[in-house]
Amino acid sequence: GAVVSQHPSRVICKSGTSVKIECRSLDFQATTMFWYRQFPKQSLMLMATSNEGSKATYEQGVEKDKFLINHASLTLSTLTVTSAHPEDSSFYICSARGTSGGASSHEQYFGPGTRLTVT
Amino acid sequence: DQQVKQNSPSLSVQEGRISILNCDYTNSMFDYFLWYKKYPAEGPTFLISISSIKDKNEDGRFTVFLNKSAKHLSLHIVPSQPGDSAVYFCAASAREDSNYQLIWGAGTKLIIKP
Repeated sequence: GAVVSQHPSRVICKSGTSVKIECRSLDFQATTMFWYRQFPKQSLMLMATSNEGSKATYEQGVEKDKFLINHASLTLSTLTVTSAHPEDSSFYICSARGTSGGASSHEQYFGPGTRLTVT
Repeated sequence: DQQVKQNSPSLSVQEGRISILNCDYTNSMFDYFLWYKKYPAEGPTFLISISSIKDKNEDGRFTVFLNKSAKHLSLHIVPSQPGDSAVYFCAASAREDSNYQLIWGAGTKLIIKP
């Protein structure tokens, strides 16, 4: 139980375009979803926290107008990187927590990640 | 200031022996601790967790020990297997955070030698 999928797994886009990444909880209802970014050889950096039906809470230094997060249902959250630039190239990972199905409220279950490359 | 610290960037262990990964924390409000395993270019995988009301939790080859007075926890893997080679992250959450946001350590790269 507690499976999270993420799509796409890999995307290459041109500078100035926007990219949408989807995160789905497959067998539980995700009360809260989190979006992380990981730079090479570094730990996970939390970008934002979102609760279903509410606006996302962004961490300090993360531009909310650049990284648009939508959490419209209990099983789906999306991250849109708007007007992408090469410095946005990174590994983006979502996670979800919930209390239904196979999920425990304390634990976050992670998607497989999305490798974004902006050329 | 790092609230969760993993002071060993890497650890090398012989296959079949015990791997011990350490984690220290500073925030006394943390009440739940988790260990995740991560392979390159993949999302972290939840391994094992422990509540602050316990001092030990065991699941198969994995055991987590919590020493609240020392603000220290450790993950024991025995016996270590080649597939255990990965980066291990320690994380903690605080009771006052309704979102159970996790505070992460920097990770320890475990290498299991054949």
